[in-house]
Amino acid sequence: QKEVEQNSGPLSVPEGAIASLNCTYSDRGSQSFFWYRQYSGKSPELIMSIYSNGDKEDGRFTAQLNKASQYVSLLIRDSQPSDSATYLCAVNTAGGFKTIFGAGTRLFVKA
Amino acid sequence: EPEVTQTPSHQVTQMGQEVILRCVPISNHLYFYWYRQILGQKVEFLVSFYNNEISEKSEIFDDQFSVERPDGSNFTLKIRSTKLEDSAMYFCASSRDGFREGYTFGSGTRLTVV
Repeated sequence: QKEVEQNSGPLSVPEGAIASLNCTYSDRGSQSFFWYRQYSGKSPELIMSIYSNGDKEDGRFTAQLNKASQYVSLLIRDSQPSDSATYLCAVNTAGGFKTIFGAGTRLFVKA
Repeated sequence: EPEVTQTPSHQVTQMGQEVILRCVPISNHLYFYWYRQILGQKVEFLVSFYNNEISEKSEIFDDQFSVERPDGSNFTLKIRSTKLEDSAMYFCASSRDGFREGYTFGSGTRLTVV
């Protein structure tokens, strides 16, 4: 069974701080990795994709990938109350026809 | 910004009835998906569809489920005989390349089976 594991949280950070979210995956053949944000009662929204080892930055967001350790992370700099949501790690499995989601980490940013 | 459209937003049905959930993917996307999310649980893969056929399906996607792309724009999920445990939010998603670009999700259909 291919799995994506995340700490369910909640993770609470003060406004302006860095939020760090982590994820591990079991399918060593996975090639593409994603972070989605899901507000309560809403659909997942793509934040970032990454497929090469190392860091990828987009505005306040940085995704980090380490395929040897089967580990993906998301850093949110200058966290804002509007960042309060559930962050879903997602992995496109080897073969490519489906993406598996983790259960998500709930993030609270306190004003 | 292009979006994935799902209808209806909420459907209530009696156990044993058939339901059809409808989706209009983004027009230049080639890969289509259905996911479901039971309240408080993770987003679960149901099925992927490419080139007018199912590419992959999960264990959840048993004989009571079917998908169809009846014309050039709609993508439907049919549940033949609904059970109480089918109550969930059903999300349609589409992707241009199915691999690196991630998915665009619709706003979902909340299915309640009574």
